[in-house]
Amino acid sequence: SQWGEENLQALSIQEGEDVTMNCSYKTYTTVVHWYRQDSGRGPALIILIRSNEREKRSGRLRATLDTSSQSSSLSITAAQCEDTAVYFCATDPGGYKVVFGSGTRLLVSP
Amino acid sequence: DMKVTQMPRYLIKRMGENVLLECGQDMSHETMYWYRQDPGLGLQLIYISYDVDSNSEGDIPKGYRVSRKKREHFSLILDSAKTNQTSVYFCASSLRDSYAEQFFGPGTRLTVL
Repeated sequence: SQWGEENLQALSIQEGEDVTMNCSYKTYTTVVHWYRQDSGRGPALIILIRSNEREKRSGRLRATLDTSSQSSSLSITAAQCEDTAVYFCATDPGGYKVVFGSGTRLLVSP
Repeated sequence: DMKVTQMPRYLIKRMGENVLLECGQDMSHETMYWYRQDPGLGLQLIYISYDVDSNSEGDIPKGYRVSRKKREHFSLILDSAKTNQTSVYFCASSLRDSYAEQFFGPGTRLTVL
């Protein structure tokens, strides 16, 4: 699970497996963003889930949000090698200041 | 073409030198950001700009200042750079909306010797 000052988490799976990454946050947020960062590039938004949503799907991605436990998850179904990246969750505590988690490094091997 | 650009992409400076990192966006976004990313860590917010000449400190502003004189352009300045400012710096922009996506530039890798 990623957040705050925790070191970068790492997951290693085989192609075709499903994977879930978890994120805990400390302050109120109206939205959880999930960003993906490929090596040598800036992060890019892949899915966003609002506080009034419990689940959001986009292709092979599924995000969940539990506001009572202040946690979110990102699942990838049938992971592919090209899913290898660092995945960040991010919240918006107000003032348009998005706060990023420490990230999960996902390695998908063939 | 929605894009955030950063210049330069790589920069090596000596301790005590001044550093200017530049960022541009072509989406007319009101809000722009500067982050730094250190190995194995997430993104730390240095400064946020809500529009021209409307800037606010982020979580780690010490040792940095910013300038935004045009909506499409946001600069990060390090006066008298320190070795602990060696990092990768990312600029981002977004609409002024809680649900807005941040668009990131490719980053500038700064090394301070």
